[in-house]
Amino acid sequence: EPEVTQTPSHQVTQMGQEVILRCVPISNHLYFYWYRQILGQKVEFLVSFYNNEISEKSEIFDDQFSVERPDGSNFTLKIRSTKLEDSAMYFCATRDSNQPQHFGDGTRLSIL
Amino acid sequence: QKEVEQNSGPLSVPEGAIASLNCTYSDRGSQSFFWYRQYSGKSPELIMSIYSNGDKEDGRFTAQLNKASQYVSLLIRDSQPSDSATYLCAVKGEGGSQGNLIFGKGTKLSVKP
Repeated sequence: EPEVTQTPSHQVTQMGQEVILRCVPISNHLYFYWYRQILGQKVEFLVSFYNNEISEKSEIFDDQFSVERPDGSNFTLKIRSTKLEDSAMYFCATRDSNQPQHFGDGTRLSIL
Repeated sequence: QKEVEQNSGPLSVPEGAIASLNCTYSDRGSQSFFWYRQYSGKSPELIMSIYSNGDKEDGRFTAQLNKASQYVSLLIRDSQPSDSATYLCAVKGEGGSQGNLIFGKGTKLSVKP
């Protein structure tokens, strides 16, 4: 069964550094999403991406965050200057038209 | 602010029993509803989707939707220890969104052998 693939599985970074989280969507999927889950809390929507542009973003997705699909396959989330409170699991999800979202295994981001 | 509410549990049931998980949502215009299972430290895994009022069955799982009451439930029949996980109710955003999901906090289910 096709899967959403995320790398790395765990990223440890010093506060203030930039991080890039990567996602390879299921090949025929058109809609891409990033979510985060702080330990012990609920899954929160960050941003949706369709047709090579952001279609919606939440209040969490401020100027420190950006997304792109640089090579037509990888879908990336960049955090420019990480803060301690960015420590969380970050999930990529993708879907085809009128289908449910499928989640990748996530990247655990630890900010020191 | 669109909200999805779940009883956080933990809900403990004996093996073989029926587990009943409940969820309410605030946006009356919501049309698409999902149940995800999340094992500790893992990603959400889709269990069921439901779009119309009534029941939808898939193996041991039955999702129930009542849009008038803004209520979604998940029944797990013949519960197994491997069903022990956190169950997330998710509602698809409507009104021009590209389908981002709004999640509840999840109900932790424990199935005792």
